[in-house]
Amino acid sequence: DGGITQSPKYLFRKEGQNVTLSCEQNLNHDAMYWYRQDPGQGLRLIYYSQIVNDFQKGDIAEGYSVSREKKESFPLTVTSAQKNPTAFYLCASSQGLAVSTDTQYFGPGTRLTVL
Amino acid sequence: AQSVTQPDIHITVSEGASLELRCNYSYGATPYLFWYVQSPGQGLQLLLKYFSGDTLVQGIKGFEAEFKRSQSSFNLRKPSVHWSDAAEYFCAVGGPRGGNKLTFGTGTQLKVEL
Repeated sequence: DGGITQSPKYLFRKEGQNVTLSCEQNLNHDAMYWYRQDPGQGLRLIYYSQIVNDFQKGDIAEGYSVSREKKESFPLTVTSAQKNPTAFYLCASSQGLAVSTDTQYFGPGTRLTVL
Repeated sequence: AQSVTQPDIHITVSEGASLELRCNYSYGATPYLFWYVQSPGQGLQLLLKYFSGDTLVQGIKGFEAEFKRSQSSFNLRKPSVHWSDAAEYFCAVGGPRGGNKLTFGTGTQLKVEL
């Protein structure tokens, strides 16, 4: 079955540590996205990528980094510079390159908690 | 700038009753509109989308939404709610003139009473 997988489902981090969240898709989609979800705030775009080895900042990119070395993979690193990283992180992908009009399909999410 | 407002944070309905979730948007041209549903601790699933044509859009799980340009609204409806519909619902707006992103509303939490 085609879809988006995110791992791990739950992640705990100590303050000052970097952590990397995994996102893989086998839908052969061109574009991939990372969102952060906090209670009562909806989804906020962190980064997106429309092509391998290229990515763009979203609204809240500070303290995060990404890479896109393969079409199917788009890992997100939460660095120690992110002051409030505890949140639910969602990865998504879309078939085309039109970020603001193509349907986005979401993975199951990773819940990150900073201890 | 594009924006989405979901005025109701929480809604409670009885099983079998009808449902309407409100979504108001701001966008400078004809928008692309989406409704997603999220079960607790899960990702988002697309219910339906609108970008042109018939203003009444049918989606999965018996949901429909109506695009009303004059009211800048895209309300989600279901004639008879099932207990399994309890979840959080998000409206999103995008379009070719709105910058390179989808903008999501803050969500409406639906509770279904048996």
